[in-house]
Amino acid sequence: AQSVTQLGSHVSVSEGALVLLRCNYSSSVPPYLFWYVQYPNQGLQLLLKYTTGATLVKGINGFEAEFKKSETSFHLTKPSAHMSDAAEYFCAVISPENFNKFYFGSGTKLNVKP
Amino acid sequence: NAGVTQTPKFRVLKTGQSMTLLCAQDMNHEYMYWYRQDPGMGLRLIHYSVGEGTTAKGEVPDGYNVSRLKKQNFLLGLESAAPSQTSVYFCASSLLTRANTGELFFGEGSRLTVL
Repeated sequence: AQSVTQLGSHVSVSEGALVLLRCNYSSSVPPYLFWYVQYPNQGLQLLLKYTTGATLVKGINGFEAEFKKSETSFHLTKPSAHMSDAAEYFCAVISPENFNKFYFGSGTKLNVKP
Repeated sequence: NAGVTQTPKFRVLKTGQSMTLLCAQDMNHEYMYWYRQDPGMGLRLIHYSVGEGTTAKGEVPDGYNVSRLKKQNFLLGLESAAPSQTSVYFCASSLLTRANTGELFFGEGSRLTVL
């Protein structure tokens, strides 16, 4: 069975500072990994995804994430936070053997201080 | 450019009442999902469908029923609402194949309060 753990339900950074949101997964096979972003009162939008190939993936709005199999991690980073990055971020995983179900982490709310 | 549309967006029910949430997608996606989102718990899968006429249970199916009579629509029903079903409900759809792995497209959510 898949599971996703996001460390830190709330993260606060200053504008211009590094953003680091942590995601660890458990899976019996290398999964496909995703980060979604949810702005207030909206649905989730895909930020980036890893399926196969290059382990460093780039997404929208300057975000990127690196798949590290040895650490079972898929942390999300952005070099310089912007006020508009304030949102809730969800890590998700599916197994390549079963495309039916996405498993989501509990989410991390990012606050960006001026 | 509608994507995934959920109706209604807000609803207040009394305990024991019934209601149906409608999800419609115009992207010809095979897979459709209903999730509920509660604070600190992320998204939990209620039911899903891998095609017209098929449905399956997710993580938290109790108290809900679903139907997929048409490919573009996925209905979520509450037969007898309970306060524990107060939540924000999200519908999502996807075209999941090995060649197109897994972007979920979400609706804007339906906020349900059960008194």
